[in-house]
This record gives sequence, structure tokens and C-alpha cells, in this order.
Amino acid sequence: DADVTQTPRNRITKTGKRIMLECSQTKGHDRMYWYRQDPGLGLRLIYYSFDVKDINKGEISDGYSVSRQAQAKFSLSLESAIPNQTALYFCATGAELVGYNEQFFGPGTRLTVL
Amino acid sequence: AQKVTQAQTEISVVEKEDVTLDCVYETRDTTYYLFWYKQPPSGELVFLIRRNSFDEQNEISGRYSWNFQKSTSSFNFTITASQVVDSAVYFCALSEEEGYGGSQGNLIFGKGTKLSVKP
Repeated sequence: DADVTQTPRNRITKTGKRIMLECSQTKGHDRMYWYRQDPGLGLRLIYYSFDVKDINKGEISDGYSVSRQAQAKFSLSLESAIPNQTALYFCATGAELVGYNEQFFGPGTRLTVL
Repeated sequence: AQKVTQAQTEISVVEKEDVTLDCVYETRDTTYYLFWYKQPPSGELVFLIRRNSFDEQNEISGRYSWNFQKSTSSFNFTITASQVVDSAVYFCALSEEEGYGGSQGNLIFGKGTKLSVKP
């Protein structure tokens, strides 16, 4: 079984709809992340959480919100989706090791907003 | 501020050619970590290597090799005798040491280089 799972894997929705992308992990890590990937732009950090009570904005948090329901679950919401939020979204978990942060990525969710 | 530049947007080679993917980084931290990830057409991210700033030894893993040069702030990736299965987008990433200058140790990615290997 995969250590980091994302649901759904693909989603097509319409402008203005509320969308939730879910991420679950069995790695036991405290840290979780949401990234967005656009062609030619690499991965950009949306939100991250170092534990259940800690939520932080990343580079591009506008238009998104998150919820850390438990250590193992981290959800990303688009309250009112717009076409420029069409992208590939990755969830990741992080293990705090000496000096650095080892990250493990989920398989990605491809979101299309029409 | 930290930054990763992958100047090559797309590279196309013929199978069995050697190819080098460039990565240049910027950081004010003296302790940092560099990464390469592979994203095949199926979309998942595959971790390839991590290197810390104190270890400038080159690394070789099969047909893959990495050249880390602090003097030029570069961490280049070479694929020897490329194969069609190497076709993918490759990302270089940087992470500063946690706690230094308020760093949370988050990953900063380059924009990626799309490698196409033709038979």
C-alpha cells in the first residue's frame, strides 16, 4: 500500500464550485505539505503543517485553504474554483531529520477547472 | 533568498547519447541540501538523490552521476548512455538548514527540465 495517498486522482469541475482534495499518510510523519505544479513553473508550496495545531501559508496560498484533521490527514480546499487553478497538486509528508526535512510525495491529483 | 535555476527548459537527445542537466542555486546559508527528482510521464515524483553542502564528492549510481561544485553553486546531473525510459521532467531542489535565519527547511524547486530521449 502507498504511504501517501491522494483522493481524487483526477477531477474536473466548473468555475465557482467548492473542491476538496484529500491527503492521507501512513508514514507517521508530523509534517504535511500541499504543492501545486504548473507546466514550466515547477512545484510551488501552497500550505504546510508541522503538526495538527500548526498551519502555515506557503508561497501561493491565495484562493486555497487547508484543514489538518488528524496527524495522518491534510485536506486542501478551493472555496470557489477558477480556471487558473487548473494544475497538478501534490501532497507530501515530511520527516524531520538532523538539519533537513525529508519529504515524501503522493501520486498527485490532476485538477481541471472549466 | 534561496533560488534554484534550471536554465534548460527542454532537451532532446537520441538514445545512447550522454546528457547533462544543469542546476544552479542561490542561498546565503552555509548548510543546505540539494535534491534531484524525476517526474516520468505518469506524473509521480521519484526521488533520485540528496546531497548536503559539506559533501562535494561526486556521486555515481549506474548511468546517473551528479557533479556538485560549491564554487559555481551548481549541482549538475548527467545521464550516460541515455535510454527512452529516461524521458521525464527532472527537478532540482534546494532546502536550507532548518532554524537558520528562520528557515523551515522547506523545499524550493527549479522549474524543471524536460528530457526527451528518442530511439
